[in-house]
Amino acid sequence: NAGVTQTPKFQVLKTGQSMTLQCAQDMNHNSMYWYRQDPGMGLRLIYYSASEGTTDKGEVPNGYNVSRLNKREFSLRLESAAPSQTSVYFCASSGDPQETQYFGPGTRLLVL
Amino acid sequence: EDQVTQSPEALRLQEGESSSLNCSYTVSGLRGLFWYRQDPGKGPEFLFTLYSAGEEKEKERLKATLTKKESFLHITAPKPEDSATYLCAVRASGGYNKLIFGAGTRLAVHP
Repeated sequence: NAGVTQTPKFQVLKTGQSMTLQCAQDMNHNSMYWYRQDPGMGLRLIYYSASEGTTDKGEVPNGYNVSRLNKREFSLRLESAAPSQTSVYFCASSGDPQETQYFGPGTRLLVL
Repeated sequence: EDQVTQSPEALRLQEGESSSLNCSYTVSGLRGLFWYRQDPGKGPEFLFTLYSAGEEKEKERLKATLTKKESFLHITAPKPEDSATYLCAVRASGGYNKLIFGAGTRLAVHP
């Protein structure tokens, strides 16, 4: 039981390049989330998916898109990366929107 | 505006020296306060959820308490392996499961 897994662990992009961050959970959770973590700031919600087939914007959605591929997988896409998107990205999941969120190990992204 | 403030930003303790971390919050309708532990280079690890003022929860050397305006994470006789960043988050009433995180307290416990 791996919990929440994320790939890649680390990525370097040039400004304007695109990439997709992958997240999968094996806990049969309904809800999944994408956060970013920047130094000196709390985790901020980018997008979330309350259940399979639904996605909604969080606090900082600009520059990102998401896809809830199935119940297990929730991907985050950067269409045209910018240096301001340099951050650590965490995926999380919960059984339902009211339950505790469990986090993956993170993806460290550097945009040059 | 919903807000979470953690203090201190950093705390250095000697092994065995008990202390407390603070999480102050302003939120419209608290629906849960969460404590997570985060080790360097890793994701947050869930510790506790508190729902109402007066509630307390314990795990090993950690004890979390909640009042109407703040929560404390008490660390009793800490060991070096307790060194980590401790994150506090609140969930407000509203349309979805939005967690509002504080910036965290970096705890270093030295032998």
